[in-house]
Amino acid sequence: GAGVSQSPSNKVTEKGKDVELRCDPISGHTALYWYRQSLGQGLEFLIYFQGNSAPDKSGLPSDRFSAERTGGSVSTLTIQRTQQEDSAVYLCASQQSRGNYEQYFGPGTRLTVT
Amino acid sequence: QQQVKQSPQSLIVQKGGISIINCAYENTAFDYFPWYQQFPGKGPALLIAIRPDVSEKKEGRFTISFNKSAKQFSLHIMDSQPGDSATYFCAADSGNTPLVFGKGTRLSVIA
Repeated sequence: GAGVSQSPSNKVTEKGKDVELRCDPISGHTALYWYRQSLGQGLEFLIYFQGNSAPDKSGLPSDRFSAERTGGSVSTLTIQRTQQEDSAVYLCASQQSRGNYEQYFGPGTRLTVT
Repeated sequence: QQQVKQSPQSLIVQKGGISIINCAYENTAFDYFPWYQQFPGKGPALLIAIRPDVSEKKEGRFTISFNKSAKQFSLHIMDSQPGDSATYFCAADSGNTPLVFGKGTRLSVIA
């Protein structure tokens, strides 16, 4: 079946511009995560959605970052007024349900802020 | 308390050798310990996972050893192959908070 898809695969933007990154999770998966991975670094948790519950935003690095998940499916991560330090790969993962199930990752969006 | 400490940061192993990556945690509420494998340009993918009610789990050439009292777990890759060259992440899950990842180990298997 279809896995997690993300778009765009690559995004180059100028400092100060806003960007939107999209994640299409596996159909039926109720949990969705966003992570950030800087070059050669680990996975930094950003935000987590579970069903209709309020999202866990504890990992968002600043108020320039926000995310929404419409209809319990597609999610969009928005970065406003991008900075060079925002350059990274942004990974989305979905999970069948919360707790002790495999997370399926998308291929990521490589964001470059010039 | 929420951290998972992973070592080494990088590892070079000869083909046919054993690769060993270690992780340690503090939070005793963690009850699921997966390992993810990531190839360049790809998202991480689940490799193998263990729950604390067993001390070892083996899948092919990959084995997780788990020491509950020491709060440590490790990944062993037997007969390492060049195709195993990737970054490996350990993680821990309590079911109540987002999955916590180690910082990753870059493995290079040389012929």
